[in-house]
Amino acid sequence: GNSVTQMEGPVTLSEEAFLTINCTYTATGYPSLFWYVQYPGEGLQLLLKATKADDKGSNKGFEATYRKETTSFHLEKGSVQVSDSAVYFCALFETNSGYALNFGKGTSLLVTP
Amino acid sequence: GAGVSQTPSNKVTEKGKYVELRCDPISGHTALYWYRQSLGQGPEFLIYFQGTGAADDSGLPNDRFFAVRPEGSVSTLKIQRTERGDSAVYLCASSGERGEAFFGQGTRLTVV
Repeated sequence: GNSVTQMEGPVTLSEEAFLTINCTYTATGYPSLFWYVQYPGEGLQLLLKATKADDKGSNKGFEATYRKETTSFHLEKGSVQVSDSAVYFCALFETNSGYALNFGKGTSLLVTP
Repeated sequence: GAGVSQTPSNKVTEKGKYVELRCDPISGHTALYWYRQSLGQGPEFLIYFQGTGAADDSGLPNDRFFAVRPEGSVSTLKIQRTERGDSAVYLCASSGERGEAFFGQGTRLTVV
């Protein structure tokens, strides 16, 4: 079945450091891929998405490219801020496997001043 | 409404009791999802509605869990004979575009 695997956290970075959070997936067809973010005390929010191979999703300085050849959707940001501290979830959506968003376990990011 | 609304935000109940959790989706969204999130884990799919019908209920863990959406808008997740292992944050999401789900703040259920 479909699944998403994220790098384990927590990830601790200094402000302005470069961020990469790895995400790989398994799917039977052609899924859409998402990154969701959960800030402390808040609900899940869509951060960015890509619906087909080689698409690049971007938002708030974050980027992720849908790589079919490596079945990956790694999240990157060139210069993180303290306000980026949150839990990041990679997710996959494919109707062949039902109608659910399949989430990874989440990666906690802490950015220190 | 402006976003997905879930009530109550917190619920403490005794083991064996019955609980209902409510979700008001974004107006006009036909798709509605329920997820469960345990501490340190990603959201776990429970059930998906398209309109009034449950299109996929494969994530419901057992027959103590049931959900309805009688008019294609508000949904209620019902848990009978609650157990301590049911304690989690229950998340509701709605979608107007395939896969792009908008989440509520969740209901934190604690079974004591």
